[in-house]
Amino acid sequence: SAVISQKPSRDICQRGTSLTIQCQVDSQVTMMFWYRQQPGQSLTLIATANQGSEATYESGFVIDKFPISRPNLTFSTLTVSNMSPEDSSIYLCSVVGQVNTEAFFGQGTRLTVV
Amino acid sequence: GIQVEQSPPDLILQEGANSTLRCNFSDSVNNLQWFHQNPWGQLINLFYIPSGTKQNGRLSATTVATERYSLLYISSSQTTDSGVYFCAAIYSGAGSYQLTFGKGTKLSVIP
Repeated sequence: SAVISQKPSRDICQRGTSLTIQCQVDSQVTMMFWYRQQPGQSLTLIATANQGSEATYESGFVIDKFPISRPNLTFSTLTVSNMSPEDSSIYLCSVVGQVNTEAFFGQGTRLTVV
Repeated sequence: GIQVEQSPPDLILQEGANSTLRCNFSDSVNNLQWFHQNPWGQLINLFYIPSGTKQNGRLSATTVATERYSLLYISSSQTTDSGVYFCAAIYSGAGSYQLTFGKGTKLSVIP
């Protein structure tokens, strides 16, 4: 299994500002992803964080709004830019283990935009 | 793309009761996971189960891949079992990986 530390665990932010979420894994992993969970909804994939290259975004998500960095195989950041109340969600990072295809998640960042 | 359907969407149980949650999934799925999301939003891995049956304490899961469904059994439910249960179907192969979540079953266990 993989142990994932995600920070911050929660934050309340003013509209128009940006928040950067960090995800640290205790071992090197090839695949790392960022998800959004809007209130009362299921998880939606935002992007795949690629080490050493630009992230791969899903339909409906763009780099200007959700820039992602992945400088190495154990760390990634997701920035939520120019926030509006509609960005209030739980954001989760996920990795796939090296042994099989099991996915593991960080504890999530609960973001409220006021 | 992969389709995942969960039922029921909501479930209320008296403490001590048993329940079965169902997950149907489409073709091209080669693995399946069950998660429990606690009230704080954390996703807890319950089972990684491509086929067959696994048990962990009061919880067990069965996946019948040929018929494209999985079941999660909760026995002697406790209030701490409350939360949302998600199944997620995995497709992996040819350098790609896709994890698709169902909409979840919201379980409330009342004393």
